[in-house]
Amino acid sequence: SQTIHQWPATLVQPVGSPLSLECTVEGTSNPNLYWYRQAAGRGLQLLFYSVGIGQISSEVPQNLSASRPQDRQFILSSKKLLLSDSGFYLCAWSLRGGVVYEQYFGPGTRLTVT
Amino acid sequence: GEDVEQSLFLSVREGDSSVINCTYTDSSSTYLYWYKQEPGAGLQLLTYIFSNMDMKQDQRLTVLLNKKDKHLSLRIADTQTGDSAIYFCAERMNTGFQKLVFGTGTRLLVSP
Repeated sequence: SQTIHQWPATLVQPVGSPLSLECTVEGTSNPNLYWYRQAAGRGLQLLFYSVGIGQISSEVPQNLSASRPQDRQFILSSKKLLLSDSGFYLCAWSLRGGVVYEQYFGPGTRLTVT
Repeated sequence: GEDVEQSLFLSVREGDSSVINCTYTDSSSTYLYWYKQEPGAGLQLLTYIFSNMDMKQDQRLTVLLNKKDKHLSLRIADTQTGDSAIYFCAERMNTGFQKLVFGTGTRLLVSP
């Protein structure tokens, strides 16, 4: 069966510090991968998606970047965090070429920028 | 635009039915989904409906789709306290990529 991991689970970082969040998927190959942000009291905003190693598409201009160094690894980064980067970050995967296109989510990382 | 709209909050008593509503934007969306998020956790897919269907039932869950009005609803029968969570609807945009657009989420509170 497939599983998706995210770490860390929680993170408190000062403004201006760097960020690295990691997501890994097990039990599948060539997944599509996604990073979402959920701000307090708001819905999910798609930040990045990837259809393959090194292939990253950005949905919104922002202070963040993403990388996919391996097939089942997706990393969200920032060189200098802003207060507005606080939120709940969710990684998800979907089966490439699937019919229903459902996405499966990780447990999330709660980021607080102070 | 890509705004999928939901009411923010719903409160029901245990044993009652809950109905969560959603208005989506793309009339050509092929699949529509309902996800559940428990506190501090990721999203869990509850059910989905294909756009050529009007209704789908899965145990206590009933999904109704009105394509003309671009309206989707989720009915939970015999609501339990364990159903308390945030419920998100999502539509698959009719683009070349498997992009889902999520609503703002409805917080369901079930009281004993």
